[in-house]
Amino acid sequence: ETAVFQTPNYHVTQVGNEVSFNCKQTLGHDTMYWYKQDSKKLLKIMFSYNNKQLIVNETVPRRFSPQSSDKAHLNLRIKSVEPEDSAVYLCASSYTGGTSAETLYFGSGTRLTVL
Amino acid sequence: SQWGEENLQALSIQEGEDVTMNCSYKTYTTVVHWYRQDSGRGPALIILIRSNEREKRSGRLRATLDTSSQSSSLSITAAQCEDTAVYFCARSSNTNKVVFGTGTRLQVLP
Repeated sequence: ETAVFQTPNYHVTQVGNEVSFNCKQTLGHDTMYWYKQDSKKLLKIMFSYNNKQLIVNETVPRRFSPQSSDKAHLNLRIKSVEPEDSAVYLCASSYTGGTSAETLYFGSGTRLTVL
Repeated sequence: SQWGEENLQALSIQEGEDVTMNCSYKTYTTVVHWYRQDSGRGPALIILIRSNEREKRSGRLRATLDTSSQSSSLSITAAQCEDTAVYFCARSSNTNKVVFGTGTRLQVLP
């Protein structure tokens, strides 16, 4: 049963363009995440938001910016995409209650191809 | 061991065999997660084991956690073709950050 919804599923664009990805969770969780998964399946955390507040901001290029309107939504904008941005972007949510992150629930991902 | 490797590991076994995947970590960890990822989908949790637990089972799956050696393992008994997937261990502590290992691609052959 899908409870973390990502759009679009795929996006093909050219170098220098701006893209935005959307994510919504219907689980009532307090924390949402963006992960980047490369072609070797490596999963790297990019951002984490707890109740609309940025909690984790890993070392990612400044062209990446997360946007959260409420605790159920976390979008990702990439200004001026580069070829190395080609990857699958996975959104996840969890309940932390201010302590350790519990189970992560992932969406199906957005596959970005930069030509 | 997933966190010690830079690249995705690959395992290929025959249906009916047992298999064990290992993870080790160096930083403070309170929870170890094991996820599986099927093609075209996001990872899904299969077992979560906390630092005060030594072992947890779920059907044919068994996870262990040894806090003294800072390692965890996931075993699958009598693997089936449907167990073919990429398996990840992940760790978290008293933060909102869940860090994933490099993953093991398991192929179970009929």
